[in-house]
Amino acid sequence: EDQVTQSPEALRLQEGESSSLNCSYTVSGLRGLFWYRQDPGKGPEFLFTLYSAGEEKEKERLKATLTKKESFLHITAPKPEDSATYLCAVQARRGSNYKLTFGKGTLLTVNP
Amino acid sequence: SAVISQKPSRDICQRGTSLTIQCQVDSQVTMMFWYRQQPGQSLTLIATANQGSEATYESGFVIDKFPISRPNLTFSTLTVSNMSPEDSSIYLCSVDDLNYGYTFGSGTRLTVV
Repeated sequence: EDQVTQSPEALRLQEGESSSLNCSYTVSGLRGLFWYRQDPGKGPEFLFTLYSAGEEKEKERLKATLTKKESFLHITAPKPEDSATYLCAVQARRGSNYKLTFGKGTLLTVNP
Repeated sequence: SAVISQKPSRDICQRGTSLTIQCQVDSQVTMMFWYRQQPGQSLTLIATANQGSEATYESGFVIDKFPISRPNLTFSTLTVSNMSPEDSSIYLCSVDDLNYGYTFGSGTRLTVV
């Protein structure tokens, strides 16, 4: 069974204080690893897809990296508007479809 | 990226009743997905809906409880039947959006009293 574990569950940072979120996974036949941002009362917003170990992607203050067992979401000099829940999901083929399995997320709070 | 309209955005329902959630996409898509997000839990896939065929349900979810319709390539509905307080949750629809990963609707917050 595919498993995704995110840590920490919650993270509180001061504005400008860089940090990383972790996503460890166990999956057979990984096709892709996804990162999403979710604001209260909204659906998840797509950030990145990573497909192979060693791959990195960046968007503004965010950088996602992937190894064979985990992914990191690095947040450089965060701002209060980066406050949100960050979700990690793995995609694998199951039968005739591809399936996403999500972690529980990391609630990030950035204080001004 | 695709734009998904999901409604209602929230509802409060009596136990034993049913609620139908609608999901409209602004482009044609092959597969649509329905998820449940319970407080403190991860998003959990309920079923995958392909146009023109029966939905495929994940373990722990059954068609009698969560019937799904997929009449065309831009629309789907999920019904939560014979509701109990344990069905209180956020329900989300999603589509595979090629280069934009999976795009999600804004969700339906359901409270069963």
